[in-house]
Amino acid sequence: SQQGEEDPQALSIQEGENATMNCSYKTSINNLQWYRQNSGRGLVHLILIRSNEREKHSGRLRVTLDTSKKSSSLLITASRAADTASYFCASKTTGNQFYFGTGTSLTVIP
Amino acid sequence: DTAVSQTPKYLVTQMGNDKSIKCEQNLGHDTMYWYKQDSKKFLKIMFSYNNKELIINETVPNRFSPKSPDKAHLNLHINSLELGDSAVYFCASSQVGSDEKLFFGSGTQLSVL
Repeated sequence: SQQGEEDPQALSIQEGENATMNCSYKTSINNLQWYRQNSGRGLVHLILIRSNEREKHSGRLRVTLDTSKKSSSLLITASRAADTASYFCASKTTGNQFYFGTGTSLTVIP
Repeated sequence: DTAVSQTPKYLVTQMGNDKSIKCEQNLGHDTMYWYKQDSKKFLKIMFSYNNKELIINETVPNRFSPKSPDKAHLNLHINSLELGDSAVYFCASSQVGSDEKLFFGSGTQLSVL
């Protein structure tokens, strides 16, 4: 299977704290993307980092990429209750296919 | 306006029945997908169509047949439904390019009894 893995599977933090989730993937990539899924909804694209980039920021999101280790991390700073959701990484391979990680369920406690 | 819409949102049916899920995108994208999300939230690609042509067909039983009448629509027909088909099915679309990203529908929760 080309499916990536994420850890932790579940994360519970207090509002205002930072949340970090990690992703590992298996093949060569063009880019790696992070998506968010609220309960009962479809996935929504958050941020994309290209294979030749090492770090990217968007608002309260910070993504890193280490292609030598085939891994990425997503940091959400100053978390809010509204950030409660599942977060998935998706590796876009050089063959133009998307493979999703197993997801991290984030709960932010008000 | 909803960018990727799929219907129905919920589908409850008996084993052995045949059912269809419809998907439409109004983003002008050239590629559409069907993904299956199981109870553990694993998200797996089933099919991918580019300009009405099948590009990806992962290991999916041939009871599942995608149909793309035009590049804005990708429907999923499932024959002889089985208990193990119960899952949430997501349609998605994208525009081919180096920074291609996926736009998802809100999902169809299929329950086979």
